[in-house]
Amino acid sequence: AQSVTQLGSHVSVSEGALVLLRCNYSSSVPPYLFWYVQYPNQGLQLLLKYTTGATLVKGINGFEAEFKKSETSFHLTKPSAHMSDAAEYFCAVSAGYSSASKIIFGSGTRLSIRP
Amino acid sequence: DVKVTQSSRYLVKRTGEKVFLECVQDMDHENMFWYRQDPGLGLRLIYFSYDVKMKEKGDIPEGYSVSREKKERFSLILESASTNQTSMYLCASSGTRGPNTEAFFGQGTRLTVV
Repeated sequence: AQSVTQLGSHVSVSEGALVLLRCNYSSSVPPYLFWYVQYPNQGLQLLLKYTTGATLVKGINGFEAEFKKSETSFHLTKPSAHMSDAAEYFCAVSAGYSSASKIIFGSGTRLSIRP
Repeated sequence: DVKVTQSSRYLVKRTGEKVFLECVQDMDHENMFWYRQDPGLGLRLIYFSYDVKMKEKGDIPEGYSVSREKKERFSLILESASTNQTSMYLCASSGTRGPNTEAFFGQGTRLTVV
């Protein structure tokens, strides 16, 4: 079975500061990992995903994440926060070899940006 | 662009009512999902479907059922709504069988049961 743990339900950073949102996963088979963003009153939008190959993945809006198998982590970073980054962020894992692969989400991290 | 459309943004229903939440996707995706989103709990999978008339239970199926008669449409049914089913409901779809794919989400339906 797969699971995802996001450390910190709320993270606050200053505009221009580094953003680091933490995600650890558990999976008995090689995982596929995703980060999604949710703006207020909207659905979820994909930021980036890791499937196979390069462990550093670049996404939209300047975000990137690094897959570290030894640490079972997939932390999301952005070098310089912008006010428009304020949103809720979800890490997710999908795994399995059947035709039906469900996607399991973490509990989310709300990112606030201080002026 | 992939479009996943949920029939209502906001719904208010009475306890004991039968409630239908409808979701339609326009990209011929095989997989469709229903999630429930509650503060502090993230998204929890209720049911998913990988083909017409095929369904599998997610993590919290109790009190819910689903229907997928056509590939593009996936309905969530609350047989007898209760106040603890007040929540945000999100529908999603994904293509290509297997885990190497992301899900596309609808805008969500905020359901209030009174």
